[in-house]
Amino acid sequence: DAKTTQPNSMESNEEEPVHLPCNHSTISGTDYIHWYRQLPSQGPEYVIHGLTSNVNNRMASLAIAEDRKSSTLILHRATLRDAAVYYCILAGGAGSYQLTFGKGTKLSVIP
Amino acid sequence: SAVISQKPSRDICQRGTSLTIQCQVDSQVTMMFWYRQQPGQSLTLIATANQGSEATYESGFVIDKFPISRPNLTFSTLTVSNMSPEDSSIYLCSAVQSLGLTRAFFGQGTRLTVV
Repeated sequence: DAKTTQPNSMESNEEEPVHLPCNHSTISGTDYIHWYRQLPSQGPEYVIHGLTSNVNNRMASLAIAEDRKSSTLILHRATLRDAAVYYCILAGGAGSYQLTFGKGTKLSVIP
Repeated sequence: SAVISQKPSRDICQRGTSLTIQCQVDSQVTMMFWYRQQPGQSLTLIATANQGSEATYESGFVIDKFPISRPNLTFSTLTVSNMSPEDSSIYLCSAVQSLGLTRAFFGQGTRLTVV
């Protein structure tokens, strides 16, 4: 499985934007970039995914570098509820649903 | 979306015993998976639960230790057999609704403590 590298932890002030980076220099042409997050004492939840173009949904935005070797998850206004571990995962798109979780980035939100 | 319910949510078990964890999805799903999350660690895939046939196990996990059943499209069980304290973990069920969707849903997990 292609590997991702994320910072172990990040801090953000409440109501400020947060940019969570992910490096995936060995990404293949068919790998989708997925983001999941795990709130304390809960199972992971889907955040967003993309292939080449930037993506937006109600939770976040995903900015993908032109060479696809890195991406950034953007939370536009962090809330206390966004404090979680965020996982950047490469998966092969439709038909490949086995997710390989790395260590993720633990995001702390400061009131 | 799919809502996944796991039972029990937590349990404390004696070493040498077995525990069966149930995973119920509120709609038919294409694929179901079981993960383990050891204390302070990330998630590790145990196996893919295949409907009507033997589960597909990842390296390091064997059927004798983690037997899995999936009798239909909405239900699966994971048994942790002959438990030892090293099996103390959170066990999570995951499901994918259809092959056209690239997102997975997760249960809240079963927190197992072996004493």
